[in-house]
Amino acid sequence: DVKVTQSSRYLVKRTGEKVFLECVQDMDHENMFWYRQDPGLGLRLIYFSYDVKMKEKGDIPEGYSVSREKKERFSLILESASTNQTSMYLCASSLYGGSDDEQYFGPGTRLTVT
Amino acid sequence: GQNIDQPTEMTATEGAIVQINCTYQTSGFNGLFWYQQHAGEAPTFLSYNVLDGLEEKGRFSSFLSRSKGYSYLLLKELQMKDSASYLCAVWAKAAGNKLTFGGGTRVLVKP
Repeated sequence: DVKVTQSSRYLVKRTGEKVFLECVQDMDHENMFWYRQDPGLGLRLIYFSYDVKMKEKGDIPEGYSVSREKKERFSLILESASTNQTSMYLCASSLYGGSDDEQYFGPGTRLTVT
Repeated sequence: GQNIDQPTEMTATEGAIVQINCTYQTSGFNGLFWYQQHAGEAPTFLSYNVLDGLEEKGRFSSFLSRSKGYSYLLLKELQMKDSASYLCAVWAKAAGNKLTFGGGTRVLVKP
């Protein structure tokens, strides 16, 4: 079974802090994704990566950056957290990124920025 | 841009059938996924459709009409554990060859 883990289930940070969210997958998947999930808006793609050290912007990259130094690990960075970044953050991975390729999700990190 | 619409919430009775509709407008359509997400948990894959027609998997079925930009997820013999959100997601070239999700439909199953 594919397992996607995220470093924290709940996180509370102050405005202006630098925040790191970590995601690890254990099935040698090529692609990894970061989404945020807000009520009524569904999942929105922030960034994705199709290979080590490669990254692509998603639909809402502003205020975020990412890092993928190892195949199994994909980090989301909030350089200076703001209250409008309070959200549920979901990491996902997929084997090869094709249109029929199922994504496997982690349990999510609920981030509150005060 | 992509436009994916699904109802916000539906209520049904245990043992009954519920149909969750999803309509989409996009170009370069290349597949539609349904995911299930229980409260506080990760979304999990339910089904994938790329050709017109019905795909059946036990109590769950998913239908696609590409010409109408329409899909539905059918849940039969509802059980209490089916109370969850159901996410429709479309893969399209117009979205940069990636998935775009709808807002999700929260289904509440009552005894």
